[in-house]
Amino acid sequence: EVLLVESGGGLVQPGGSLRLSCAASGFTFSDFWMSWVRQAPGKGLEWVANIKEDGSEKSYVDSVKGRFTISRDDAKNSLYLQMNSLRAEDTAVYYCARRWAVAGLDYWGQGTLVAVSS
Amino acid sequence: QSALTQPASVSGSPGQSITISCTGTSSDVGGYNYVSWYQQHPGKAPKFMIFDVSKRPSGVSDRFSGAKSGNTASLTISGLQAEDEADYYCISYTRSNTWVFGGGTKLTVL
Repeated sequence: EVLLVESGGGLVQPGGSLRLSCAASGFTFSDFWMSWVRQAPGKGLEWVANIKEDGSEKSYVDSVKGRFTISRDDAKNSLYLQMNSLRAEDTAVYYCARRWAVAGLDYWGQGTLVAVSS
Repeated sequence: QSALTQPASVSGSPGQSITISCTGTSSDVGGYNYVSWYQQHPGKAPKFMIFDVSKRPSGVSDRFSGAKSGNTASLTISGLQAEDEADYYCISYTRSNTWVFGGGTKLTVL
């Protein structure tokens, strides 16, 4: 069974940093692109970042470029999102998801809440 | 990276069919056959429903179908059931090698 479990969310002050983790199991992690998607309270889904199987390609939504970094450790079957210079508008539930085909996300974690507030 | 345009809400009665549109530009929806759709019930993670415009993942009911014409993709749900009531989102690959979601559509089953 494919499982994705996010952790690392919490309350952080504006300008602060947080590192999210996503532990993957039930599939060969190193064979798949992975993604982060977020959802602000009461709002829609927003794609945040993608990373290729070997980590050699990464892409980001414009609003997080230069502040967020996606990475992975295939030996630990883990995906990460380093978030710096956090803003109130980054407040959201952050989901990790496995990429399927070019623009599909077939498995999702349960999400972890990041709240940016003073 | 402007969000794709979806109607805020649609509704239908049990047994009817409804269609949700997802409008983008030639740089995303219109330029590639890489649109997928997701169903999200309140408090739950999204569920993968359609990929590559019209392909259904294993286990998804054939009551769900996807299509595309020009810059607009669409999701059709036939034989509406109460459990179909949820939010629906489209996402497209873009020319910038990024992805963009639609704003989401709330489906109400009357």
